[in-house]
Amino acid sequence: DSGVTQTPKHLITATGQRVTLRCSPRSGDLSVYWYQQSLDQGLQFLIQYYNGEERAKGNILERFSAQQFPDLHSELNLSSLELGDSALYFCASSVASGGTEAFFGQGTRLTVV
Amino acid sequence: LAKTTQPISMDSYEGQEVNITCSHNNIATNDYITWYQQFPSQGPRFIIQGYKTKVTNEVASLFIPADRKSSTLSLPRVSLSDTAVYYCLVYSGAGSYQLTFGKGTKLSVIP
Repeated sequence: DSGVTQTPKHLITATGQRVTLRCSPRSGDLSVYWYQQSLDQGLQFLIQYYNGEERAKGNILERFSAQQFPDLHSELNLSSLELGDSALYFCASSVASGGTEAFFGQGTRLTVV
Repeated sequence: LAKTTQPISMDSYEGQEVNITCSHNNIATNDYITWYQQFPSQGPRFIIQGYKTKVTNEVASLFIPADRKSSTLSLPRVSLSDTAVYYCLVYSGAGSYQLTFGKGTKLSVIP
């Protein structure tokens, strides 16, 4: 158990819908990362927050957004969902902002039908 | 961000030592090298991290030559449970915040 909690574990939704994925980082970790993993793309870095502020942005679509709340949990919002958004979405956390060991959650498997 | 190159896949028999080499030719002075392990449908797990020479922990060893343009992850006496994808990452200790994963190396341990 990494200490990072992601909910829900599984999500099935229709195209065009909007979903919210939630991540609770390890106690004491200030940094949260979001990744998307699909079969043909590998692990794609989406975005990182540190203590409530966005620190780095990767290949995140405009239809996707994220935020980190004062209690340090984070949410990834995916809207206007397409079939190609079906993937495993991982959240990771670390103590510092970059350069340190990151702990990954078990992921949320999103299926868009 | 330094680009990394690893073999796509490797096979090994149980009990053997496995060495996975990662090339990172444009590594910068402030960059560190980190390896993660990922099992199917699970999040990656940190294995080891180093800057130069050799680092060893209870799981693996990491060898980094003087020019730091490559690194080798060494797994001693692998077992079937070591079958996983192994990722080599290079990140800057001077403020690069992205943990960028490449394609990784799929290690298959054969009985």
